Amino acid sequence: SAVISQKPSRDICQRGTSLTIQCQVDSQVTMMFWYRQQPGQSLTLIATANQGSEATYESGFVIDKFPISRPNLTFSTLTVSNMSPEDSSIYLCSVQGGLSYNEQFFGPGTRLTVL
Amino acid sequence: QKEVEQNSGPLSVPEGAIASLNCTYSDRGSQSFFWYRQYSGKSPELIMSIYSNGDKEDGRFTAQLNKASQYVSLLIRDSQPSDSATYLCAVKRQGQGFSFIFGKGTRLLVKP
Repeated sequence: SAVISQKPSRDICQRGTSLTIQCQVDSQVTMMFWYRQQPGQSLTLIATANQGSEATYESGFVIDKFPISRPNLTFSTLTVSNMSPEDSSIYLCSVQGGLSYNEQFFGPGTRLTVL
Repeated sequence: QKEVEQNSGPLSVPEGAIASLNCTYSDRGSQSFFWYRQYSGKSPELIMSIYSNGDKEDGRFTAQLNKASQYVSLLIRDSQPSDSATYLCAVKRQGQGFSFIFGKGTRLLVKP
């Protein structure tokens, strides 16, 4: 499976500010995804990052709050804008892969705390 | 709302025993199912995928799928303390790209 890295691994931010999270993959992948995992909860898909076009957002998530870039097939960014304490969460990127390209593999995650 | 349900646990088993983790899903059209293991403070790690009814074995892990009952399970034989983690069941959504729906996970504790 692909090797996925994320930056930063963790951050503590003040409310009202924005943070951009980077996801880098060591090989070209067609599909990249951004998830959120709130404390004690499971994973919730924020959006699918499409190369060369706008991201596809899930219900409850909007581009103004979570702008996403996907400039090429190995890189994506997620920005958490105008943060509030409710945005404190782990943010994970994942990529499609596996022998049948039917599986998802996750990066190490970014732990965000908003004060 | 398409859902994936898991017992949150914790499920406590003694070392060497078989741990049985269960998952039900609501979308009858789902075709792809996955089990992830997540250690505390770490990201999910894929351990099994299953697409057909029946059993699929990989080492100490066996995934079982029953589409008629909309039920997926994961058996861990000869459980080890290092298996202590949260196990997430995921179902690939139909007709909506490649996105997955995750259950809330079952916390497994293997006691020495």
